Amino acid sequence: KQEVTQIPAALSVPEGENLVLNCSFTDSAIYNLQWFRQDPGKGLTSLLLIQSSQREQTSGRLNASLDKSSGRSTLYIAASQPGDSATYLCAPLYNTDKLIFGTGTRLQVFP
Amino acid sequence: NAGVTQTPKFQVLKTGQSMTLQCAQDMNHEYMSWYRQDPGMGLRLIHYSVGAGITDQGEVPNGYNVSRSTTEDFPLRLLSAAPSQTSVYFCASRYSEREVGYTFGSGTRLTVV
Repeated sequence: KQEVTQIPAALSVPEGENLVLNCSFTDSAIYNLQWFRQDPGKGLTSLLLIQSSQREQTSGRLNASLDKSSGRSTLYIAASQPGDSATYLCAPLYNTDKLIFGTGTRLQVFP
Repeated sequence: NAGVTQTPKFQVLKTGQSMTLQCAQDMNHEYMSWYRQDPGMGLRLIHYSVGAGITDQGEVPNGYNVSRSTTEDFPLRLLSAAPSQTSVYFCASRYSEREVGYTFGSGTRLTVV
């Protein structure tokens, strides 16, 4: 069964810290993997997309890495800010055009 | 460019009622999908479509119908609402090339009483 696990489930840190959010998936036959951000009561905002052939992608203070063979992806957030507070979701894409979601990491950054 | 538009944003239904959740995109995306999000379970795929006239079932299709008569629209129909269908529903779309990711709508929060 295709499953996604995100660790930690919740994280509370002071402003300025560098953060690591982990995502593991049981089936490594992915086409790509997307990281999303979800604010409370809102929709999903795409942060980064990594193709299965890529090792990492960067956007501003965000960097996502992918190790397809071991079924792992990591989202790094540099110099965290209170505005980064949200739930972060990773979702690998499989052949049936199905995104499989984990339950996310709920991040709180306090001033 | 509106992206993916979902209506309504909120809805309360009585058990047994039917309704249609609307989803429209103006990006000429071939692929469209419906997900539901429940606490502690993550988002799960209900139905998806790879183009006009083509639909297929996802992980949790029971109780829902879809059709895709145009590229832009992908409505989700609840045939006879049940309390178990209380959830937040998200529509998503993307181009057929897998080098691009999905764009999500802002969601419809549905309560069935």
